[in-house]
Order: sequence, then C-alpha cells, then structure tokens
Amino acid sequence: GAGVSQSPSNKVTEKGKDVELRCDPISGHTALYWYRQSLGQGLEFLIYFQGNSAPDKSGLPSDRFSAERTGGSVSTLTIQRTQQEDSAVYLCASSLVAGPYNEQFFGPGTRLTVL
Amino acid sequence: SQQGEEDPQALSIQEGENATMNCSYKTSINNLQWYRQNSGRGLVHLILIRSNEREKHSGRLRVTLDTSKKSSSLLITASRAADTASYFCATDATRQGAQKLVFGQGTRLTINP
Repeated sequence: GAGVSQSPSNKVTEKGKDVELRCDPISGHTALYWYRQSLGQGLEFLIYFQGNSAPDKSGLPSDRFSAERTGGSVSTLTIQRTQQEDSAVYLCASSLVAGPYNEQFFGPGTRLTVL
Repeated sequence: SQQGEEDPQALSIQEGENATMNCSYKTSINNLQWYRQNSGRGLVHLILIRSNEREKHSGRLRVTLDTSKKSSSLLITASRAADTASYFCATDATRQGAQKLVFGQGTRLTINP
C-alpha cells in the first residue's frame, strides 16, 4: 500500500479487557511512532521504534501500555486492563529514517472506546 | 504535556478569504511542522520549517517562524471549502534519535461557501 494503514479503524471494548491495535508502516520506513489523541490531552507521543534499536517508551502513560514491532515492519500497540481514560484515537506514523528533518506520515488512526 | 499553544482555537471565514493561524511554543526547537486533520482522523503533513529559516512557502501556504518570540504562523491564501479542517503545529526539540513531535491543541478552521 501507498500509506500507513491501521486496524481496526474503530474498537469498542469493555473496561478491564485487553486490546491490540495494529500499524502497517510504509514499506521501507525504518522509524515508526505511536501517538494518542484524546479530548483532554490533545496529541501525545507514546513510543518510537527505529530499526533494531531498543524502542523509546518515554511517552507510555502506564505499564498497561506496551508495543512491539516484529521484523522491523508491523507494530502492535497493546493496552491491558483498559480504563475509560484510555478512550482516544491512536495514531501511528512512520518515516524513512529517524531524524529532525524527516517527515512523519500518519495513518488514519484507530478510535478506541472503552465502556 | 503540550508545548504548543495555538490561536485562535476556532476560525470561520468566507471562501476566498485568507486564514491565519498562530502557534507559540516554549523550548528551543529543531524544526516546526504544520499538519492538517480532517474529521479527527489521520494527519496530513503540510510544511516543515527549520529553526534557521524564517519563512517558507508551499502553494497557497505560507509559514513564518520567529524563534526569538517562539512563535509561528500559518497563512492559507484564497481559502477553499476543502480547506475546512483542524490545523496543528508540532515542534521537534529532541537532541538526537527520535523526532518526537509535540503538538499544539489545534485550530479548527471552517471555510463557508
């Protein structure tokens, strides 16, 4: 595909359940980012992967959040024991390489609703 | 935490008019970027301006950067109905490695036909 894709586009879950969100970056992009957009907090950085390096997890809000990137391509963001405050749009982005002047291309996002 | 403050929060103008949105930030930056978002979903990159640049143009877009005032503006000239969207500024202040963007709260722009 030409752009970043994310699935599912919408996810409704019950409080306490685990959810997995998927991101397929643009082919050949080595850097992958997860952001979260919620009403109260705006757009926040969550985690970043670059090649085979250890991810930068500095933006993850709690230890219920984790992410992995298999084979340097697809990434999965997992939220365990979801809470209502986790409701947000989760956006994934990729860039050719990491660095200050590389454009990040965003996917359409996954809208997560925790009931 | 949000670094950027944008104003206005909402802007409504007539088609054909120019739209100006402003962004202020707090720390020194490598670059500042503007994004557009339609219907609360994916972000579209519009333009990137480096910290050593003062002005940049792309089509109907003009971006200025004043690092002494820690502020930027986005001007959309000859607006069209299709420009209706939310516009975000994002700053990159990372020293090395990941370009962790810090976004403002956004300006909701409505172009009235």
